[in-house]
Amino acid sequence: ETGVTQTPRHLVMGMTNKKSLKCEQHLGHNAMYWYKQSAKKPLELMFVYSLEERVENNSVPSRFSPECPNSSHLFLHLHTLQPEDSALYLCASSQWAGNTGELFFGEGSRLTVL
Amino acid sequence: TQLLEQSPQFLSIQEGENLTVYCNSSSVFSSLQWYRQEPGEGPVLLVTVVTGGEVKKLKRLTFQFGDARKDSSLHITAAQPGDTGLYLCAGANNFNKFYFGSGTKLNVKP
Repeated sequence: ETGVTQTPRHLVMGMTNKKSLKCEQHLGHNAMYWYKQSAKKPLELMFVYSLEERVENNSVPSRFSPECPNSSHLFLHLHTLQPEDSALYLCASSQWAGNTGELFFGEGSRLTVL
Repeated sequence: TQLLEQSPQFLSIQEGENLTVYCNSSSVFSSLQWYRQEPGEGPVLLVTVVTGGEVKKLKRLTFQFGDARKDSSLHITAAQPGDTGLYLCAGANNFNKFYFGSGTKLNVKP
């Protein structure tokens, strides 16, 4: 099993659809993240879960809804998205110890909103 | 949000040349990482620096963390086409959060 796996790799949806992105980590880490990567913009931190509790919601619109049922799984539920939400959505995990940690990323889910 | 600025944004060089990428911020970070990302994939960690003034070498790559832990540089010696990719710096704070620079797109021509 690879460290962090994301499904689906590609998703096309209409503005009225409801879909979900899934992330699973096999590294035994204690924190999981959703990042958004758009062209010509830095990776934007969306959500952080530490020990299954959400510790960051970085002013993300409510049409994005995260869920972390356990330390290995992370979901991003999508509904009534806008075309500007088209981007690469990256999941990552880390083992935070003291004042340092390192991110391990999945391969991303490429989302296109029509 | 803690901003990191990377420069240059784009770099196209010939195989064998040297290059340096810079990552600057007004914020202090507990650690800083460099990642490389190839098209269609997620970023992959290259190195983590923690101590101000720290220098780490990874084969032809040399990473430096500024004394004040606000900036960093990545130097590549004798670049090869396999070094082509998007290089990202990321600063971490004490609360499990990582903030990324906008990236440097490197193209090494054979």
